[in-house]
Amino acid sequence: DAGVIQSPRHEVTEMGQEVTLRCKPISGHDYLFWYRQTMMRGLELLIYFNNNVPIDDSGMPEDRFSAKMPNASFSNLKIQPSEPRDSAVYFCASSLGSGSGTDTQYFGPGTRLTVL
Amino acid sequence: GDSVTQMEGPVTLSEEACLTINCTYTATGYPSLFWYVQYPGEGLQLLLKATKADDKGSNKGFEATYRKETTSFHLEKGSVQVSDSAVYFCALSAPMYSGGGADGLTFGKGTHLIIQP
Repeated sequence: DAGVIQSPRHEVTEMGQEVTLRCKPISGHDYLFWYRQTMMRGLELLIYFNNNVPIDDSGMPEDRFSAKMPNASFSNLKIQPSEPRDSAVYFCASSLGSGSGTDTQYFGPGTRLTVL
Repeated sequence: GDSVTQMEGPVTLSEEACLTINCTYTATGYPSLFWYVQYPGEGLQLLLKATKADDKGSNKGFEATYRKETTSFHLEKGSVQVSDSAVYFCALSAPMYSGGGADGLTFGKGTHLIIQP
């Protein structure tokens, strides 16, 4: 399996622009997670999906952030409008999932976002 | 809420030295505990995990034991190599039936490990 695929790997944009980050989970995995990594706050869970349905979006920082999972093979995270403080590495992860908390999450390589 | 505390480093050791990275947690119910490793420019990879008290996770010479009485999951290795240089994250997930967030992971801040030849 190719693992979790994220695109783009790097994104540089200007403040106010819309940014879309993409993720393809491992085939057969029921759960998909979006995380953000910054020096100040470390790794934070933003939102996760089970069977394409958003389960918990309490980590999404503001209304400027939105995420969708239109099918089992794809999810996107949008920031509109983007701000310099959104600069971070965004990771997507997937897992088989059971609700028991024991399953391993498999991470993509991340998208490094820089907002100027 | 759930939280994980780990030494942030950087931790610098010589090759073949013994390693311990401390990790303690607070959580509702009975969490599963994980160590993930991140090499430069890459995503996180699972290093080892333990899903119940007194379980020991092990992989690539690394070990960690789930200690419920001390709420700890310290990472150890007897002899480190230069290739072990990376950032190590301790994490937990608490099951939904105990009030946790299902499989969403709560991470520590990460420990940057540098091994010198």
